[in-house]
Amino acid sequence: EAQVTQNPRYLITVTGKKLTVTCSQNMNHEYMSWYRQDPGLGLRQIYYSMNVEVTDKGDVPEGYKVSRKEKRNFPLILESPSPNQTSLYFCASSTAGAWTDTQYFGPGTRLTVL
Amino acid sequence: DAKTTQPNSMESNEEEPVHLPCNHSTISGTDYIHWYRQLPSQGPEYVIHGLTSNVNNRMASLAIAEDRKSSTLILHRATLRDAAVYYCILRPSSNTGKLIFGQGTTLQVKP
Repeated sequence: EAQVTQNPRYLITVTGKKLTVTCSQNMNHEYMSWYRQDPGLGLRQIYYSMNVEVTDKGDVPEGYKVSRKEKRNFPLILESPSPNQTSLYFCASSTAGAWTDTQYFGPGTRLTVL
Repeated sequence: DAKTTQPNSMESNEEEPVHLPCNHSTISGTDYIHWYRQLPSQGPEYVIHGLTSNVNNRMASLAIAEDRKSSTLILHRATLRDAAVYYCILRPSSNTGKLIFGQGTTLQVKP
């Protein structure tokens, strides 16, 4: 089954404790991205990657890092989480380049930073 | 970057058509218009997309204004399962992968 998986689905942590949210897709997609969703603000893109070793900032990249060492994985790293990073996070993937491509979203990771 | 504007919420009765509007007055000539929806407690899912001509698929229809400054997502017969937040998104022609989400319209479907 074609899917985007995220782990963990729920995470409660404390300020400053480094964490990684994993994202994996099994569709051989070149393009992957991370979004955060906050009440009243809709979805905002954090980072995206057009292919392996190619990443770029979205709208709200501050406080986040990403890496793309393999095509299927695109982890989101919070080196020193803060309470304002409490949010619902979604990973997405698609074939790269064409503007017609459908993006497939993961189920979401709900992060709480105390 | 081009922005989209959608009404915050809309209501519909089950089995009636629903027209969800989106304004994108600053759209670029080659930006595609995508619609996604987000069901409660789920990630967004693709609904439909188009460039200039009206489009139909099994889920919905997309009507695009001649000047491309607005579009309308049409659900021909709303069901309770269609209750969701609907996002109108512009896919930039610059091929950076960046998506621009509107605020979304929360659709309520009444039985």
